Amino acid sequence: KQEVTQIPAALSVPEGENLVLNCSFTDSAIYNLQWFRQDPGKGLTSLLLIQSSQREQTSGRLNASLDKSSGRSTLYIAASQPGDSATYLCAVTNSNYQLIWGAGTKLIIKP
Amino acid sequence: GAVVSQHPSRVICKSGTSVKIECRSLDFQATTMFWYRQFPKQSLMLMATSNEGSKATYEQGVEKDKFLINHASLTLSTLTVTSAHPEDSSFYICSARGASGGYNEQFFGPGTRLTVL
Repeated sequence: KQEVTQIPAALSVPEGENLVLNCSFTDSAIYNLQWFRQDPGKGLTSLLLIQSSQREQTSGRLNASLDKSSGRSTLYIAASQPGDSATYLCAVTNSNYQLIWGAGTKLIIKP
Repeated sequence: GAVVSQHPSRVICKSGTSVKIECRSLDFQATTMFWYRQFPKQSLMLMATSNEGSKATYEQGVEKDKFLINHASLTLSTLTVTSAHPEDSSFYICSARGASGGYNEQFFGPGTRLTVL
């Protein structure tokens, strides 16, 4: 059974710092891995999707990597801003095309 | 990118009433739609998977008579919470997957906040 774990559960850093969020999964048989952002009381915003054949994806200040063999992904946020404060969710698409979710990392960027 | 809408975005109802939530794929045909539930400060929980024209497949522990799902067309799925009670209060999110191109990617609606008094 696929399990997705996100570490840390919460993170608070000063504005301007670079930071890394971690996601690990137990079964390497995935189609893709996605990173989402969720603001309090709001829906999901898809940030980056990495197909199983890819190693990384970049969008602006965000870079996500995927190491399928070790079951790990990282989301790197450069030059963090207060607007980056949100909960970041990691999810993998399993062999049944279902999304398996991590519990999320709550990120707070202090001005 | 593909767009999925949900209506209503927020609903408040009295205990015992039924509430219908619509999920629409606006610019693609969704052969499969998913319904999730999210409790405060928790991650998403898959409730059911519905394929157009077929009965929904419910996850273990989800009452199919309580949460009625209809996927009558390739662009619309509905979730009806029957005889809602306060414990049904939650954030409901749908997602849709297309028939071709990006088959392994789900596109998410903005969610519906249900409050049962």
